[in-house]
Amino acid sequence: SQQGEEDPQALSIQEGENATMNCSYKTSINNLQWYRQNSGRGLVHLILIRSNEREKHSGRLRVTLDTSKKSSSLLITASRAADTASYFCQGGSEKLVFGKGTKLTVNP
Amino acid sequence: NAGVTQTPKFQVLKTGQSMTLQCAQDMNHEYMSWYRQDPGMGLRLIHYSVGAGITDQGEVPNGYNVSRSTTEDFPLRLLSAAPSQTSVYFCASSYNLPASSGANVLTFGAGSRLTVL
Repeated sequence: SQQGEEDPQALSIQEGENATMNCSYKTSINNLQWYRQNSGRGLVHLILIRSNEREKHSGRLRVTLDTSKKSSSLLITASRAADTASYFCQGGSEKLVFGKGTKLTVNP
Repeated sequence: NAGVTQTPKFQVLKTGQSMTLQCAQDMNHEYMSWYRQDPGMGLRLIHYSVGAGITDQGEVPNGYNVSRSTTEDFPLRLLSAAPSQTSVYFCASSYNLPASSGANVLTFGAGSRLTVL
């Protein structure tokens, strides 16, 4: 079973548009994190939101967390071609497992 | 700091051969883990360790062994390679343990691409 499941699996938008990705998880968490992966590279941590927080911002990133629905969303505003990557969520629990990710393509 | 270092970056094996993927971190992280990533499958947890001398199984442990004799090193051994083990392998570490209240931010290595013929 996977702790984080991202939706949609793929998203294609134009530069300047906003991109929203969703994540659902199964068990209780202390915190939830989003990572980014450029093609063929290791994951890079983007942002963490704790279980007692509802929303968090970092630059063009906005993360929300709804613990009652066991879900989170990542919003990237004013997207750029360089945002093209796969995005993964991960809920902090005993085993740090990931979903399949959302593959975001930002077209120039 | 070097962070998480994985070697080798690329490896080609024949079915039945054994090999070890090396992972070392210099951040004094207690938690270390190995993932494999296959097309369309995301990352799947193979084994993990919460400290020297302690290892546990992840989602897909069969065919792999690990050990944690030091805090810094967490090698992944393939005992008898099979074509199904062709994948990209990532090592990751975290200062805080997963079940703790602290932020368990994972730092990833660059990956090791393994092909088994």
